[in-house]
Amino acid sequence: AQSVTQLDSQVPVFEEAPVELRCNYSSSVSVYLFWYVQYPNQGLQLLLKYLSGSTLVKGINGFEAEFNKSQTSFHLRKPSVHISDTAEYFCAVNLSNDYKLSFGAGTTVTVRA
Amino acid sequence: DTGVSQDPRHKITKRGQNVTFRCDPISEHNRLYWYRQTLGQGPEFLTYFQNEAQLEKSRLLSDRFSAERPKGSFSTLEIQRTEQGDSAMYLCASSLETGPDTQYFGPGTRLTVL
Repeated sequence: AQSVTQLDSQVPVFEEAPVELRCNYSSSVSVYLFWYVQYPNQGLQLLLKYLSGSTLVKGINGFEAEFNKSQTSFHLRKPSVHISDTAEYFCAVNLSNDYKLSFGAGTTVTVRA
Repeated sequence: DTGVSQDPRHKITKRGQNVTFRCDPISEHNRLYWYRQTLGQGPEFLTYFQNEAQLEKSRLLSDRFSAERPKGSFSTLEIQRTEQGDSAMYLCASSLETGPDTQYFGPGTRLTVL
């Protein structure tokens, strides 16, 4: 079985400041990793994913994440946030021999002017 | 590509009533998933279809829950004799069959059981 831990439940940040959202996972087999964003009253939207290859993955809206196998981490970063980045962010894991996603509890990002 | 749609978006019901939700996946996607999301938590897997076959059900899916995908297109999730603990957002997602393909989520159905 796998589990996903998002280390920060809430992250307040000022506009144009950088942000990092931490995600760690545990699994005994290879995994695929995803970050989704959920804006208020909306469904989940994919930000980026790691399947294989380069460990630095670039996604939409200026987000990127780095897969670190030794640390079993997949932290999400953005160098300069906007008010519109206020949302809940979910890290998710998919086992290489499975199909369902296991999600972390989410990190609420609040961007202030 | 019109995206995944779900109906209704909101449902308020009284305890003990039955409710049914519908999900229409992206047309060429043959995998369909149901997840449940409670306040302050990430989505939790409920069940999965490949075409019309229901291949896995989570232990979260009690006997009061049933899901169908009769023609391999849209899916329904029914909850019988609803309880207050069933109050949650019910999310549907779909994906292609090939490998670890991205799951595309619908807007969800928010259920409130009074």
